[in-house]
Amino acid sequence: DTGVSQNPRHKITKRGQNVTFRCDPISEHNRLYWYRQTLGQGPEFLTYFQNEAQLEKSRLLSDRFSAERPKGSFSTLEIQRTEQGDSAMYLCASSLVWDRSTYEQYFGPGTRLTVT
Amino acid sequence: DQQVKQNSPSLSVQEGRISILNCDYTNSMFDYFLWYKKYPAEGPTFLISISSIKDKNEDGRFTVFLNKSAKHLSLHIVPSQPGDSAVYFCAASARMEYGNKLVFGAGTILRVKS
Repeated sequence: DTGVSQNPRHKITKRGQNVTFRCDPISEHNRLYWYRQTLGQGPEFLTYFQNEAQLEKSRLLSDRFSAERPKGSFSTLEIQRTEQGDSAMYLCASSLVWDRSTYEQYFGPGTRLTVT
Repeated sequence: DQQVKQNSPSLSVQEGRISILNCDYTNSMFDYFLWYKKYPAEGPTFLISISSIKDKNEDGRFTVFLNKSAKHLSLHIVPSQPGDSAVYFCAASARMEYGNKLVFGAGTILRVKS
């Protein structure tokens, strides 16, 4: 296992359709994060899981967005009734927190969503 | 509200010289800072970090300096190499009720000319 993987890498969809992205974190990492990045900006936090529990959600995460992490392994992010404003790079990151002194997160390559 | 700011959208440096990337933050509760490097079509790659209890951390060609009183940090790359050309993001760790999230700046594009 060499890192965080995300599928698909690219997704083009029509407005109003539903899309689902998958993230496979680094094995043994217990924390998993979703971020969104738009052009010219840094990644923005969306939501976070510790094991299978979704513990935090940003106000950016509207009710059209849902994320799951069954069994504390891979995670899915679903966007229902997509809008053009959802077009962005969706990044997944994972981390292993065994003490409170380090906060590094390791990112996958992202899924680029284009809503037409 | 942008809590982490990278005011230079781009920086161009000659190979072999020093690259200095700057970052300012506004939230005094941030207690850990990180730099990430990003190539096109890839996710951000962790580069180096620093705890708020330190003022310097060094790893090979990369050194991060933290000035808490000024709420400012900088990344020094010396000597700069063409392969360092990428987008560099400054990030701060923000505590949430059950963990932490990263708050990113908008990034600085570094071009190292050979």
